[in-house]
This record gives sequence, C-alpha cells and structure tokens, in this order.
Amino acid sequence: SQQGEEDPQALSIQEGENATMNCSYKTSINNLQWYRQNSGRGLVHLILIRSNEREKHSGRLRVTLDTSKKSSSLLITASRAADTASYFCATEGTSGSRLTFGEGTQLTVNP
Amino acid sequence: NAGVMQNPRHLVRRRGQEARLRCSPMKGHSHVYWYRQLPEEGLKFMVYLQKENIIDESGMPKERFSAEFPKEGPSILRIQQVVRGDSAAYFCASSPRGTIGNTIYFGEGSWLTVV
Repeated sequence: SQQGEEDPQALSIQEGENATMNCSYKTSINNLQWYRQNSGRGLVHLILIRSNEREKHSGRLRVTLDTSKKSSSLLITASRAADTASYFCATEGTSGSRLTFGEGTQLTVNP
Repeated sequence: NAGVMQNPRHLVRRRGQEARLRCSPMKGHSHVYWYRQLPEEGLKFMVYLQKENIIDESGMPKERFSAEFPKEGPSILRIQQVVRGDSAAYFCASSPRGTIGNTIYFGEGSWLTVV
C-alpha cells in the first residue's frame, strides 16, 4: 500500500452536514498537509499540521494527527456545495525533500 | 509575486512525438518538484531538482523521461516518444528550501493527452 492513503474514496453528503476524511501513512513524518483539488485544476493548500501537534483549526476545517496510529483526519463542518472537490493528504518525511500524496477522497456536497 | 507558472496548460501529442512541459518557479525559489497525476489518482512524485542539479529522480521512469532546471530559464520535463499511458496531468511545485514545511507552492498543471 502507499504512504498517505485516504478513506473513504468517495463521500456524498448534504449541504450543512459535516464531512470527515481520514488519511493513514506508514513512515515517520515532519508534517502532514491537506490539499484540495477542483476538477481539472491545480492543488490548493488547506492546512499543515506538524508531527508534534495533535489538532489544528482553520475556519471550518479541523485536522487531527495521531502519530502513534500514523493517521490524520480532516473535518469540514457545515459543508457547502462549493466544498465539492477531491481532498488529498500529503506527508513530508523526516528526510524532507518531497511530499508523498494519498489517492484522495472525492467529496460531493449536494445542495 | 507571480505563482508557479506552467505551460502549456494543455498539450496534445500523437504517439511517438515528444512532449516538453515548462515550469517557472516562484521568484526566489530554487527547488523544483515534478509530480504526475493519472486520472482519478493522487499525485506521484517524479523528480526533485535544484538549479543545475537533479537531487532525487527516484520517481522518474527509467526511459523516455528527463528533467532539467538550468541556471537560467524554466525547469523542463521532457517526454520522448510518448505513449497513451503518458496521458496525465503534470504538476510542478517550487519551494525556497529543501525542507518543505508550508513553503511549497503548486502550479496549475499541464494536461498531456496522447492520441
């Protein structure tokens, strides 16, 4: 399996509901980042959480990191139709120098 | 301060032709990364370059693919004798230093279609 695996692969919810996506990884990390990608577009950086942090908030986003389980979750609260996109986690290993991406979660928020 | 600029945004090539993708990093950034994204998949690391040096090419296919980041000008990802399986989005990212943290910025990607 790959470093940085997200689940679920796809998630469909109604506007106003919360969306939770999970990411697991295999090796030690410096940090874990979440990105968003709209169809046919580039990546938008959402939030970074360092290996010594357990939780971080940014607006409607909440990210947790459990280094003992090598997992992270991204929670989007009060979702909007405009949140429809693919969400990827990416890890920077302790040797630095690159990010390793997961396969992504396709989120659909229905109006 | 312009972001990471990639061109062309869309490129169509026939099998056997060459594809050249260009990436101009953000001003002041000397570290460039290339990633490939196949349809419905995540981004896969290809190569990491600094000016005039390839630092890590462990993700590059052994044949037909090459990358450079010359002293002057953009970074170039070159794919020779393209095949249908090369059809993908190719993303470039840049950073001012090798330890990325939150300093990496991605371009909008170059979509290659091989017909």
